[in-house]
Order: sequence, then C-alpha cells, then structure tokens
Amino acid sequence: GQQLNQSPQSMFIQEGEDVSMNCTSSSIFNTWLWYKQDPGEGPVLLIALYKAGELTSNGRLTAQFGITRKDSFLNISASIPSDVGIYFCAGLLWAGNMLTFGGGTRLMVKP
Amino acid sequence: GAGVSQSPSNKVTEKGKDVELRCDPISGHTALYWYRQSLGQGLEFLIYFQGNSAPDKSGLPSDRFSAERTGGSVSTLTIQRTQQEDSAVYLCASSLAPGNTEAFFGQGTRLTVV
Repeated sequence: GQQLNQSPQSMFIQEGEDVSMNCTSSSIFNTWLWYKQDPGEGPVLLIALYKAGELTSNGRLTAQFGITRKDSFLNISASIPSDVGIYFCAGLLWAGNMLTFGGGTRLMVKP
Repeated sequence: GAGVSQSPSNKVTEKGKDVELRCDPISGHTALYWYRQSLGQGLEFLIYFQGNSAPDKSGLPSDRFSAERTGGSVSTLTIQRTQQEDSAVYLCASSLAPGNTEAFFGQGTRLTVV
C-alpha cells in the first residue's frame, strides 16, 4: 500500500522559533491534509490542499502541496506554547479511497 | 450532534473480557475509519468503511478484532478476549465521500486492559 514518510519524528524548539515539517510519498496523492492532535484529544484538521503547487495559510501555519504531488510541507511561524502536540499529514488519492497517514511529528515548545 | 461521537470515552477491562467501542459519525458521512494509537505514537489504521462497499479490514491486527457498521451510520469495534497489548486510544473518523475528502475525528476511547 501507499506509505507516507513524515519528518522529523519529533522537535524540541524555543518559543518564537519557526518550525518546518514535511511528508513524502513514493506515489502521488491528489489531496494532502494536515492535522494537529492535542494531548488527550482526537486530531483536528488544520489545512487541506487540493492542487499541486498550492500554498495555503491559516494564521501562523502555511502548507504547500508539492508540485510532484509526492510531498507536502507544513510551516509554523513564531511558535507559541500552545503549538505543542502531534502533527500528522495525510494523503488521499481519490475521493472514496482511504486516507493514508504519516507517522506524526511531535512538537515540543520551550517557553 | 455536530461532530463524531465516540463512547465510552474511557474503558477499563479485565484481560480476557470482550469490549465494544462505539462510533457515531457525522450525519451523512459515508466513509468511516477506525485507528488505534498507543501512547505518544502515530495512528495505526484498523478498518475503513465506504458506503455499501465491502470494508477494508487490512489493518485489523488479529481475528480478535472485528467491526461492523449498521445502516451506513453507527459503527461498533469489538475486541474479543482482550490482551494487555490492546491498551490504547481507539479513534474513529468520518468523511463525506465522494466529493469531500476531509476526515473528522472523534475524541477517542481510551482502553485499558488490566
């Protein structure tokens, strides 16, 4: 089946720093999604990307759908303590197919 | 309700007992996923339902695990003869597919097998 490699697995950064994480796949996806999971909660959708090359922002978050359709990245600018959590990427080939999730990036922010 | 609802939120069971976990997806969502998440780990895919199609059960870890979805809505994940390694958070997600691919998660059921 399709595999998503998400990196880094974990990050420990200072408050105020920018963060970058990415997902790569050996095969193409037509949709990329980024989720954040707070401790003790289910993942919550942050950004959805539907077109190759698309760059989308949501506040301090920016995500891009790679032009090859095999990768995506998520940037967080000026991190704050509430950014702590696990970030997951997910890819979808076609509507009706199954979502494939990356292994997650655990973000820890030091005040 | 407006979101995906899972029950119970917490379940403690004795080793060897059977448990049933319930998921109420968002009304009208045709796709439903079950995932398992061990402490601090990623999402382990278990099973996927899409409309009236046969479910994708490829992620179920053993024949002690089964799931059904009645009437295309509520889903129940059953674990028989629970083992300590089954302890995890079980997450359900649904999406309005085809046409809308964004999946929405419930809060999860934390299962502890003692």
